[in-house]
Amino acid sequence: DSGVTQTPKHLITATGQRVTLRCSPRSGDLSVYWYQQSLDQGLQFLIQYYNGEERAKGNILERFSAQQFPDLHSELNLSSLELGDSALYFCASSSTGIGDSGNTIYFGEGSWLTVV
Amino acid sequence: AQSVTQLGSHVSVSEGALVLLRCNYSSSVPPYLFWYVQYPNQGLQLLLKYTSAATLVKGINGFEAEFKKSETSFHLTKPSAHMSDAAEYFCAVSDDYKLSFGAGTTVTVRA
Repeated sequence: DSGVTQTPKHLITATGQRVTLRCSPRSGDLSVYWYQQSLDQGLQFLIQYYNGEERAKGNILERFSAQQFPDLHSELNLSSLELGDSALYFCASSSTGIGDSGNTIYFGEGSWLTVV
Repeated sequence: AQSVTQLGSHVSVSEGALVLLRCNYSSSVPPYLFWYVQYPNQGLQLLLKYTSAATLVKGINGFEAEFKKSETSFHLTKPSAHMSDAAEYFCAVSDDYKLSFGAGTTVTVRA
């Protein structure tokens, strides 16, 4: 158990819909990362927040957005869903930023999203 | 940007045989390098990481990796494979504020 909690574990929704994925980081961790894992794209970095502020942005679509709340939990919002958005979405956390000293990033078990 | 390349998308080994997973990195500065394992239907678990303290890094479950700057490599090894090592393995490099992952290598272990 990494200490990173993600909900829901599985989600099936229709094209055009909107979903919210939730993540609680490890206790004390200030950084939250979102990754997407799919068969064709592999593990893709989406976005990182540090203590409530967006710190880095990766290959995140405009239809997707995220935020980190004062209690440090984070949500990833996916809207106007398409079939190609079906993937495993990981949340991860670390005490500070990875670039600072090679801090370990701890991953949750992921949220499986299926768009039908 | 830093990146890693994993050589071989699939490796099959016999139980008790050496496991060798290859990873080469591309980095303009001394990198931080990581190996993660993903068991079926689970998240990513850290096996080990290199942060320049020692070139030979020992991790969990009997895995180790050696950082070779001259070869820009960080290959993962385990002397004797167990059935429980069947999983997908990812090499990753720190890239600014995130980790950039390789495409992954799936390991199957034959009895």
